[in-house]
Amino acid sequence: GAGVSQSPSNKVTEKGKDVELRCDPISGHTALYWYRQRLGQGLEFLIYFQGNSAPDKSGLPSDRFSAERTGESVSTLTIQRTQQEDSAVYLCASSARRWQGRETQYFGPGTRLLVL
Amino acid sequence: KQEVTQIPAALSVPEGENLVLNCSFTDSAIYNLQWFRQDPGKGLTSLLLIQSSQREQTSGRLNASLDKSSGRSTLYIAASQPGDSATYLCAVSPNAGGTSYGKLTFGQGTILTVHP
Repeated sequence: GAGVSQSPSNKVTEKGKDVELRCDPISGHTALYWYRQRLGQGLEFLIYFQGNSAPDKSGLPSDRFSAERTGESVSTLTIQRTQQEDSAVYLCASSARRWQGRETQYFGPGTRLLVL
Repeated sequence: KQEVTQIPAALSVPEGENLVLNCSFTDSAIYNLQWFRQDPGKGLTSLLLIQSSQREQTSGRLNASLDKSSGRSTLYIAASQPGDSATYLCAVSPNAGGTSYGKLTFGQGTILTVHP
């Protein structure tokens, strides 16, 4: 079946504008994750959705960042009033719940965001 | 706070060599450890997942070991091929209960180049 898809693949925006990034997880996957990878740095966890539970937002860097997910389907990550330091590749992943820590996260190709 | 370090940062080898990539983590209370491969423009691909109770996992020419008490993992690649060229990432999930196990902490990766 289809893997995790993300759109757009690339986004260039001006400082101060809002952007929305979209993630379509693998069908049937209950968990969805957003990560950020800034140039020369490792992936940073941002937010995690698990089924109907309240999302874990502990990785969001500021209140300019928010994310939503409708049920177990599409998620959108919104960055308001973008800053140049928001420039990064934003990666989405999904996983099906497994027992005993056998969970594998499947990643999308990412959205490359450049804030001018 | 969990920190993951990967050594070396970059590695260039001739085709056919066996090689070892290293990963260390500061907090041994992990749920599992995963090795990923990252190709440009294609997101991450999970290679191996080792549960905290396991010592190693093998898939084809890849073997990953885990020594949780010392906070170390190695990824062994046998008979390397040019197609193995990619960035290899190590990630750990916390054993903090509830749903937090999905929050991966990544190392910065090892850039591997295998030349013919």
